[in-house]
Amino acid sequence: GAVVSQHPSRVICKSGTSVKIECRSLDFQATTMFWYRQFPKQSLMLMATSNEGSKATYEQGVEKDKFLINHASLTLSTLTVTSAHPEDSSFYICSARDSRGPYGYTFGSGTRLTVV
Amino acid sequence: GENVEQHPSTLSVQEGDSAVIKCTYSDSASNYFPWYKQELGKRPQLIIDIRSNVGEKKDQRIAVTLNKTAKHFSLHITETQPEDSAVYFCAAAYGGATNKLIFGTGTLLAVQP
Repeated sequence: GAVVSQHPSRVICKSGTSVKIECRSLDFQATTMFWYRQFPKQSLMLMATSNEGSKATYEQGVEKDKFLINHASLTLSTLTVTSAHPEDSSFYICSARDSRGPYGYTFGSGTRLTVV
Repeated sequence: GENVEQHPSTLSVQEGDSAVIKCTYSDSASNYFPWYKQELGKRPQLIIDIRSNVGEKKDQRIAVTLNKTAKHFSLHITETQPEDSAVYFCAAAYGGATNKLIFGTGTLLAVQP
């Protein structure tokens, strides 16, 4: 089946630094990838949609200059949290759509970001 | 904008009873409705899904129903077991070509032995 690898699984960083999270589709080409953020005991909130080779589309209220998304190939998308603050601490999950069919969303294992 | 409402937020049932979780979506053009089970700190796990051209789908103890007219869809779990205890999310696919998934607010299901 489709597999999406997400790294790192956990990261602790200091306030003001940047953190990059990678999301890689291992056995399929992902034309579209999605990035979600999940705070404790809350739902998955869509942050942005990225399409290979084009700029990401951000959801309302998500700062595109703070959450940089790059989707340079059909198998890799990255999310960079710039100038991280403690309120950015959250669980970040990527999801990739398999280009072979109209549906089929495969999720990464998530990244627990803690900003101290 | 896109919105998916989910009820109840918490549900406690006795082992062997049935559990029903309901969701409502806002965009009549939505065409795909998956349900996910999520354990703490883990990725969402797809348990069942339904497309807009189908009214009901069943997989063993789990079933999903869809009412397109009312823009409602529901998850039904029969003969619940303690291992069914988890957080469940509904979702709806929006947005034409991108089909972004918007999630409901979640239901914490507790199955009491």
